[in-house]
Amino acid sequence: DTEVTQTPKHLVMGMTNKKSLKCEQHMGHRAMYWYKQKAKKPPELMFVYSYEKLSINESVPSRFSPECPNSSLLNLHLHALQPEDSALYLCASSQGSVGTSGNTIYFGEGSWLTVV
Amino acid sequence: EDQVTQSPEALRLQEGESSSLNCSYTVSGLRGLFWYRQDPGKGPEFLFTLYSAGEEKEKERLKATLTKKESFLHITAPKPEDSATYLCAVRTSGSARQLTFGSGTQLTVLP
Repeated sequence: DTEVTQTPKHLVMGMTNKKSLKCEQHMGHRAMYWYKQKAKKPPELMFVYSYEKLSINESVPSRFSPECPNSSLLNLHLHALQPEDSALYLCASSQGSVGTSGNTIYFGEGSWLTVV
Repeated sequence: EDQVTQSPEALRLQEGESSSLNCSYTVSGLRGLFWYRQDPGKGPEFLFTLYSAGEEKEKERLKATLTKKESFLHITAPKPEDSATYLCAVRTSGSARQLTFGSGTQLTVLP
C-alpha cells in the first residue's frame, strides 16, 4: 500500500503569516521530496531529503523552509510568502537513497496554498 | 540536457475509442521512465515504471511500452473515468536524484 498523507488539504494565508505544511509516510521510504505545481504545469522539484538530511535544494527562496523531524515526517514552513507562491504543494517519497536511480516516487494528494 | 516531450497536449475520445499517448525523450543514460495519472486538484498517481527498451506493462485498460526513444501509453476501450492528465517522467544517470517531467497529455473521454 503506497500512501503519502499531506495536511492541510487547503490553506489560505496572508503575506505576513507563518504556517506549515505537513507530510507523513509509513512505507519505510528513506527519501522524501517537496514539489510545487502550478496550474496546467508539471510538478517542479523544490527539496529532497535523503536519510533525514537535506540532499537537494533547487534554489528555493528562504521564505520556504523544509524540515525532516524523522524518517516518516516532512514539514514545509512558510513565512512571508508572495501571491505568486500560490500553488499545489506536493510531498512525495521513494524507497532507498535518493541517488538510487529507478526508484519510483510516490506522491501525496497535495496541499492547495493560496496567498492573499 | 535531458528533454521529455509529450503529445498530444490534449486528446478527446469517445467512450470505447482506443488511442495512444506519446512520450518521447532525449536523455543520457535512462534509468527509468515513469507514467503517472493526475486528476484535477490531486497529486499524481503512479501507474508504471519501465526500465529498458522492449519492456511492456499493463493495468486494466492501460498498457505502457518503451523503445529507445519513446514510450507509449495505450488506452483500450476507454471509459469516462479514465479522463485525467497523464504525465511521463524520466530518471537518468545524470540526474538520478530527480524526475524530469513532460508537460502532460490531458485526456477527456466522452460518454
